[in-house]
Amino acid sequence: DTAVSQTPKYLVTQMGNDKSIKCEQNLGHDTMYWYKQDSKKFLKIMFSYNNKELIINETVPNRFSPKSPDKAHLNLHINSLELGDSAVYFCASSQVAGGGQPQHFGDGTRLSIL
Amino acid sequence: RKEVEQDPGPFNVPEGATVAFNCTYSNSASQSFFWYRQDCRKEPKLLMSVYSSGNEDGRFTAQLNRASQYISLLIRDSKLSDSATYLCVVNMGGGSQGNLIFGKGTKLSVKP
Repeated sequence: DTAVSQTPKYLVTQMGNDKSIKCEQNLGHDTMYWYKQDSKKFLKIMFSYNNKELIINETVPNRFSPKSPDKAHLNLHINSLELGDSAVYFCASSQVAGGGQPQHFGDGTRLSIL
Repeated sequence: RKEVEQDPGPFNVPEGATVAFNCTYSNSASQSFFWYRQDCRKEPKLLMSVYSSGNEDGRFTAQLNRASQYISLLIRDSKLSDSATYLCVVNMGGGSQGNLIFGKGTKLSVKP
C-alpha cells in the first residue's frame, strides 16, 4: 500500500491553463505539505496543513491554492500556469505539525509547461 | 550564512570507500535534524534522524556538533546502491517548531 500517493505523476500542459494535483496519505498523519523542487533540485516548502487547517503559507503566488477536504487529502490547484511553474511538486505528510517529525513524501508530480 | 548549506559534490568514490558529508545550519535554536536520501527522479526518503549524542545505523553514522552548528554523515564500505543525493534537513524554529529546511543536497556516485 502506497503511504503518500499523488496524481498525476506527469502533467504536461500549456501556459495559461488551470490544473490540479491530488494527494492522499493513508498513514493517519495530521499534517500534510506541498513542496516544489525546481530544476536546480532545491526543495522548498509551499504550504502546510494541520488537520485541514492552513498553518504554513510561504511566499507563493496566489495562483496556487491548496485545498484540504479532510486530513488525509491535500490537493493543489494552480491557475494561469506560467513557464516558471515547471518543476516537480512533492506532497508529504508527518504525524504532527512542526519540524520535529520526519516527513514521508509522495513520488512527485512532474509538471511541464509548454 | 544560508539556512542549510551543503557541499554539492559530486563525490565520486570507489566501492568500499568511506565517505563523509558535512552540513552547516544557521539557526542555533534548531533542535531537529535529519538526513534524507533522494535517488534520481525519485522522492526524498528519510535515511536517519540525527541525535545529540550521535547515532549509527549499520554503515551509516550521523553526528551533530551544536557549538559549530554542523551535522555530518559518514558512510562506511560504500555500495553501488548508495549512489544518490543526500539531503541535510533542519527545522528552523525553536524546539521542534518551524519548517523543515532542506539543503540542496550532496551528490554521491559510487563506482565499481
